[in-house]
Amino acid sequence: EDQVTQSPEALRLQEGESSSLNCSYTVSGLRGLFWYRQDPGKGPEFLFTLYSAGEEKEKERLKATLTKKESFLHITAPKPEDSATYLCAVQKGAQKLVFGQGTRLTINP
Amino acid sequence: NAGVTQTPKFRVLKTGQSMTLLCAQDMNHEYMYWYRQDPGMGLRLIHYSVGEGTTAKGEVPDGYNVSRLKKQNFLLGLESAAPSQTSVYFCASSYRQGNTEAFFGQGTRLTVV
Repeated sequence: EDQVTQSPEALRLQEGESSSLNCSYTVSGLRGLFWYRQDPGKGPEFLFTLYSAGEEKEKERLKATLTKKESFLHITAPKPEDSATYLCAVQKGAQKLVFGQGTRLTINP
Repeated sequence: NAGVTQTPKFRVLKTGQSMTLLCAQDMNHEYMYWYRQDPGMGLRLIHYSVGEGTTAKGEVPDGYNVSRLKKQNFLLGLESAAPSQTSVYFCASSYRQGNTEAFFGQGTRLTVV
């Protein structure tokens, strides 16, 4: 069965305290792994797509990496505005995304 | 640049009532999707469409119907609402196969009492 598991469920950091979020997956026929950011009361907003093991992408304080079984979202020197829920999703088949449950990140000033 | 627009944003229904959620996108995207988001469950795909006039079942289709009569619109219908359908519903669209960066609407919070 296809599964996407994110850990931790929630993470509280101090401003400037770097950390990583994990997304592990068991999906046959993976065609891509996606990271989204979701703010309260809003829809998910696209961050990154990773297609193959070893691939890395960066955007401001965020860096996403991919292995054959998991992906990490590294957050370097976070700021309070980075507080959000981060969702991981894998694509399989015809345009279908399978989402993880998300990691709720809080950055305290 | 409206992107993906959902209406309504909030709705309270009584058990057994029916309603239609409307999703409109102005990006000329071929693919459209309806998801529901529940605490601890993540986003789950209800139905999707790969083009005008087409629909397909997703992970949790029971109790829902959809229609894609126009390329820019994707409607989600609840014929007889149940409390288990209390959720936040998100519509999304994407451009082409192989690169499914999806654009999401702001969501519809539905409560069935």
